[in-house]
Amino acid sequence: ILNVEQSPQSLHVQEGDSTNFTCSFPSSNFYALHWYRWETAKSPEALFVMTLNGDEKKKGRISATLNTKEGYSYLYIKGSQPEDSATYLCASLNSQAGTALIFGKGTTLSVSS
Amino acid sequence: DAGVIQSPRHEVTEMGQEVTLRCKPISGHNSLFWYRQTMMRGLELLIYFNNNVPIDDSGMPEDRFSAKMPNASFSTLKIQPSEPRDSAVYFCASSLRPLQGNEKLFFGSGTQLSVL
Repeated sequence: ILNVEQSPQSLHVQEGDSTNFTCSFPSSNFYALHWYRWETAKSPEALFVMTLNGDEKKKGRISATLNTKEGYSYLYIKGSQPEDSATYLCASLNSQAGTALIFGKGTTLSVSS
Repeated sequence: DAGVIQSPRHEVTEMGQEVTLRCKPISGHNSLFWYRQTMMRGLELLIYFNNNVPIDDSGMPEDRFSAKMPNASFSTLKIQPSEPRDSAVYFCASSLRPLQGNEKLFFGSGTQLSVL
């Protein structure tokens, strides 16, 4: 059974705080790790796709790292803003799943101004 | 590009009725996925297609669920008969190619299904 675990489940920070979330995934037969951002009443949108151990991706104030040997990824948000409030989903692609992503349950971030 | 288009946005039906959810993937995308979102289980993969062919339907909960993709621009997810526990948001997503690389998913807006 493939399990993608995310922590914390939810997080509440003040505007300007920096924060990070964790995603753990099966390291065997790994293909790719995805991060998606899901705002209320909208659809999930892709933030990053990472495939190589040690990958680091950045988009504005948001960045992500990948450790495929130990099966974890971190998502960092620097200087959180209210518009960063959303649920952040990670998803793993392993050969056991064929070519479909298995999602974690997400980390819901709330940023207060 | 209009993105992935799902219909209806909301569906309220009574237990025992047939429900059909529809999806139009992004033009040119060759892989299509159906996911179900619930509070308890998060986003669960139900079934996916590559080049209109179902590849893995092991996530389809029961025989009451069926999915088809008659052509590259249309897919349906049918529940017959529907039950209250089927109430969830059903997402369709597509990708340009199978996901074994840097391909990413593009999600539709989802169908909020309520079975009374």
